Amino acid sequence: GENVEQHPSTLSVQEGDSAVIKCTYSDSASNYFPWYKQELGKRPQLIIDIRSNVGEKKDQRIAVTLNKTAKHFSLHITETQPEDSAVYFCAASRIGTASKLTFGTGTRLQVTL
Amino acid sequence: NAGVTQTPKFQVLKTGQSMTLQCAQDMNHNSMYWYRQDPGMGLRLIYYSASEGTTDKGEVPNGYNVSRLNKREFSLRLESAAPSQTSVYFCASSGGFSGANVLTFGAGSRLTVL
Repeated sequence: GENVEQHPSTLSVQEGDSAVIKCTYSDSASNYFPWYKQELGKRPQLIIDIRSNVGEKKDQRIAVTLNKTAKHFSLHITETQPEDSAVYFCAASRIGTASKLTFGTGTRLQVTL
Repeated sequence: NAGVTQTPKFQVLKTGQSMTLQCAQDMNHNSMYWYRQDPGMGLRLIYYSASEGTTDKGEVPNGYNVSRLNKREFSLRLESAAPSQTSVYFCASSGGFSGANVLTFGAGSRLTVL
């Protein structure tokens, strides 16, 4: 089955700096890579996703890049703000098989003033 | 719309007791899921239901049972709770306009087994 590794487990940045979270996956057939954000005490919510037919996707201050050859993908947050503080989970699966979605172990991002 | 609603939000059980976590969604989604979240372990799938009338095991099904009561409701039952089942449980659904891949989560149920 799929195995997703996520690094780092914790990340502290100053407000305004950039943050990068990296994930690797094992199943070359995976072609869907979402990122979920979970604020403290809240539910996980999808913030961005990418499919394997594109190498990069941006949405305002967040972007995700995908390297299919190396089987890794990354979340980039620019101009970090205190409200970006949360746990971020990467995941991987084949499109249309949400039941096979495998999550990484999460990265706790702390944005300090 | 309420989205995905879970009850109860908090529960404390003694070892050996049973309980059922309830989940309902009002988004007309076909698929529903139960996950558990433990520190440092991410989200792990317990059971899922791809459509009304079907259920399948996920990554960590031991000690749990599920029932897809109808298209809206998907319950998770612990027949004989164990301390290892202390966790935060999330129900989720997918389908409809958000797509088959996007999970919409409930607010979570924190379960402590003493």
